[in-house]
Amino acid sequence: DTGVSQNPRHKITKRGQNVTFRCDPISEHNRLYWYRQTLGQGPEFLTYFQNEAQLEKSRLLSDRFSAERPKGSFSTLEIQRTEQGDSAMYLCASSRPGEVRVTEAFFGQGTRLTVV
Amino acid sequence: GESVGLHLPTLSVQEGDNSIINCAYSNSASDYFIWYKQESGKGPQFIIDIRSNMDKRQGQRVTVLLNKTVKHLSLQIAATQPGDSAVYFCAESRASYDKVIFGPGTSLSVIP
Repeated sequence: DTGVSQNPRHKITKRGQNVTFRCDPISEHNRLYWYRQTLGQGPEFLTYFQNEAQLEKSRLLSDRFSAERPKGSFSTLEIQRTEQGDSAMYLCASSRPGEVRVTEAFFGQGTRLTVV
Repeated sequence: GESVGLHLPTLSVQEGDNSIINCAYSNSASDYFIWYKQESGKGPQFIIDIRSNMDKRQGQRVTVLLNKTVKHLSLQIAATQPGDSAVYFCAESRASYDKVIFGPGTSLSVIP
């Protein structure tokens, strides 16, 4: 499978613990996006990278959240001191700016986080 | 703030009929408008997009219409099939390289 891969698929954690998610984008894609989705809602933008540079962060991304893409390939999203409100599906997407359909971002299946 | 939203949260259609999913947007600066399909347990899947300087674009069994006068976007699915059952999101982007902002979604249910 050469699509966007996210690990783990599911994560249950106790409130106050730290969690880290990983995203492996499609290999030739240089843009990588993180979104958060709660039940019944559309995905909310969190942050995105072009290669290893983090170009934009949403105000939703509090100080407890940090994302990295150290070598311009895979990315990690860490949440420190998790809260119940962090429970959501965390989606990763990648795209390669080009001439046609550059908005055609490819999404992974997401990591579902449950904070208990 | 400006956002993208949907008129109808749920839609049920008979198999074989055409489906129309509507969306209202408020950001006049958006350059692209996009439709995504999301099946249960999966990430959103790109369906079709349209640039702001167009009013219609057709794909395979799908047509997107853009009315900038009333800031309205619609997705038409011809001959709806059971496999079309999913949540559909309209979304917008300021530019071809920019992030995508999603609306809240419409659930489409196809009745066999």
